[in-house]
Amino acid sequence: KAGVTQTPRYLIKTRGQQVTLSCSPISGHRSVSWYQQTPGQGLQFLFEYFSETQRNKGNFPGRFSGRQFSNSRSEMNVSTLELGDSALYLCASSLEARGEKLFFGSGTQLSVL
Amino acid sequence: GENVGLHLPTLSVQEGDNSIINCAYSNSASDYFIWYKQESGKGPQFIIDIRSNMDKRQGQRVTVLLNKTVKHLSLQIAATQPGDSAVYFCAVYGNNRLAFGKGNQVVVIP
Repeated sequence: KAGVTQTPRYLIKTRGQQVTLSCSPISGHRSVSWYQQTPGQGLQFLFEYFSETQRNKGNFPGRFSGRQFSNSRSEMNVSTLELGDSALYLCASSLEARGEKLFFGSGTQLSVL
Repeated sequence: GENVGLHLPTLSVQEGDNSIINCAYSNSASDYFIWYKQESGKGPQFIIDIRSNMDKRQGQRVTVLLNKTVKHLSLQIAATQPGDSAVYFCAVYGNNRLAFGKGNQVVVIP
């Protein structure tokens, strides 16, 4: 069974631009969570989706948004990029409806110049 | 929110020795705990989990201990190998999300 797939693997953007990251969960997993990972802050929870509905959201500004499609694939979008948005963005999926046991993809490394 | 922390930033261990990584959490309502391993260039990889109705769980060369009284959990790695060199995170489920500790670098000395 294939793992969580994230695309693209690397991304370079400039301030003010927007970006869309994609995530395909493990087959059969309906819960998808997104995390931002930086050296200083560690893994910070962005949001979680289940059956196309956002169930939970972390403490990030409204520039960070996401969605989930009927096939459980998910995208996250960051608008008006700032230098501080440079990070590894990790997607994780879970078989459990509670979204607790997460399986992570390799992430998208975003650099904002 | 959940406050999850690790006691030691870096642990250097001789190959073949046992490793112990500690983690403290603050939310007494947390009922599910996981340890992850992250190698360079990869996402966190599930190692072992434990629910709050248990105080010990063993896997292959790994053991997780949970002390709910003092809100502390630990990961023990037996006979540490070079492939165990990585960053280890504890994660605690509470408030409908999994909150992660800052991470602890384990360096295995051959």
